[in-house]
Amino acid sequence: DAKTTQPTSMDCAEGRAANLPCNHSTISGNEYVYWYRQIHSQGPQYIIHGLKNNETNEMASLIITEDRKSSTLILPHATLRDTAVYYCIVRVEGDYKLSFGAGTTVTVRA
Amino acid sequence: GAVVSQHPSWVICKSGTSVKIECRSLDFQATTMFWYRQFPKQSLMLMATSNEGSKATYEQGVEKDKFLINHASLTLSTLTVTSAHPEDSSFYICSAEYRGLSYEQYFGPGTRLTVT
Repeated sequence: DAKTTQPTSMDCAEGRAANLPCNHSTISGNEYVYWYRQIHSQGPQYIIHGLKNNETNEMASLIITEDRKSSTLILPHATLRDTAVYYCIVRVEGDYKLSFGAGTTVTVRA
Repeated sequence: GAVVSQHPSWVICKSGTSVKIECRSLDFQATTMFWYRQFPKQSLMLMATSNEGSKATYEQGVEKDKFLINHASLTLSTLTVTSAHPEDSSFYICSAEYRGLSYEQYFGPGTRLTVT
């Protein structure tokens, strides 16, 4: 029972911004949007999370629509090392369960 | 900060033997740790949740007698795959919950298990 929908794959050019969309139309008021990524043969890496306000950290920015039904993860200057599977997950903060869907396979090309 | 390590990073064992995988939180205390399994070209599936000093909680369909979990301290959880078979070959990943400003999970680098 997927709570999020992401494109299967996307390519982006090195040095350009990468915008990764995620739909979560059934999100509840107390559910956060989390983003993780998994580089091949490694454990997932936490990127960012937010509730309703836009968030930014050293890795990325998270833009959440006003109705909270979708969000976009922005990698401002993609590098080859950003090639990975990116997972968008919604969960209640404090709820331990992280349900990983298929994610988006992002390939950054030189 | 918030580093999680796993040991070994890869292991090959013979069918019928048991394998132990360690998961450590290096710079924080984790009252809760999680074990995931990932088959090739598939997503991560949560196997079990372990809390320090208590029995692990297993997800539906995961055999608790086959996948023994021990969370002996606030920085160490172990997963033992008992009587391993080739179908247990997978990528096993642990995570630890960091209860800082929010409940974030930090993942280990994973352990590749191959059963021959």
